[in-house]
This record gives sequence, structure tokens and C-alpha cells, in this order.
Amino acid sequence: SQQGEEDPQALSIQEGENATMNCSYKTSINNLQWYRQNSGRGLVHLILIRSNEREKHSGRLRVTLDTSKKSSSLLITASRAADTASYFCATYNNDMRFGAGTRLTVKP
Amino acid sequence: EAQVTQNPRYLITVTGKKLTVTCSQNMNHEYMSWYRQDPGLGLRQIYYSMNVEVTDKGDVPEGYKVSRKEKRNFPLILESPSPNQTSLYFCASSLRGRADEQYFGPGTRLTVT
Repeated sequence: SQQGEEDPQALSIQEGENATMNCSYKTSINNLQWYRQNSGRGLVHLILIRSNEREKHSGRLRVTLDTSKKSSSLLITASRAADTASYFCATYNNDMRFGAGTRLTVKP
Repeated sequence: EAQVTQNPRYLITVTGKKLTVTCSQNMNHEYMSWYRQDPGLGLRQIYYSMNVEVTDKGDVPEGYKVSRKEKRNFPLILESPSPNQTSLYFCASSLRGRADEQYFGPGTRLTVT
């Protein structure tokens, strides 16, 4: 069963713009991870944030975690056409649960 | 190159014909798992293995079997496939366990007619 729910389900932006995706979850977690999936391919790990962390950065990616609101956001700055993919959040608390994903399209 | 490999990548079969999807990782990972991905449902875990000879059911184990005789291999077996098992399947591994970063294989697209 899903734990995280991504919002929006789909997002379309122009190259150079920032993209923000959100993930909400229901129960407490130990960590939350974000993954990227190019069409029909395997998921690629982007970033892991622990429950005692509030923000992490990796290159153009910025992830925040608000455990009081049970939500996380993934910000991709200065997006590129190559960022076009589906993005999934996965929450861990004894089990790992994936959301249904946000489909991001970056137009050149 | 560190990777998770799956074979076959594409498979079309008929109801009831036993099949095996192989999964192998070369990273000496302890943990391996199988997921299926269906539109609108995200990834759902089928089975996982914490180590050799240790396997456990995930969320949707019905109709599937697994084995972990060697650390690097974790095959998924469908004894009698049915059309509702048509899906995209992913094998994944991680160094220590479920909490860690998961490394995914390229996927196996299975169609059962």
C-alpha cells in the first residue's frame, strides 16, 4: 500500500524554470527518499533525508522535510529537458513505501 | 560497473506457463527485493530478502515465489502466471536493508495473455 502521495500528479514547465514536487505521508517515518524514473526504466536514487533533518541539497536538487506536517518537497532548480521524468518519494518506517509519482515534463 | 541486472527485459507468455525472471547484483548487497509497477499504483513490493536463505513477503506476494541461494541472485518465479500479473517488474538491492538507498534494475515488462 502507498504511504507517500505526490502532488501534483503531472507538472509541465519550460527549461530554466524551477520545478517543485510535494510528498505527503500519513504515519511517522525514519527517512524519506526521492527517486527519478525515466520512461519505463529503473528508478534512480536522488536523495535521502532522515527524520531529524530539515533540508538537504545535492547539485540542483533541494529537499525539505517537515515532520510536523508529514510532508516533503523536492525542488529542481534551473530545470533542463533531461530532467523530464517521473519522480517518486519513498518513505521508510519498518517498510519502504513508494508513492505513485509526479510526472515532470520540461519543455526546451 | 556496479549494477543490478534483470533478464529477460521483455516477456510475453500465456496463462499458466511457468516463468522465471532472474535478478543479479554485483555490489555484495545484503538486501534484495522485487517490486511491480502498475499505472496509478506506484511500486508495490512483492518479496524481499535480508540475506541468503532469508526471504519475506511484501505487500503483494500472491502468485509469486522467490529464492535466495546465493547473495548475488534473487530470481522471481511465477508458477502459473495469470493476466493480472501483467506488469513492469523491478528488482532492487541495497547494502544493508530496506532503509538504505535502493539500486534498481532496468525492469522486466511482462505480458500474460
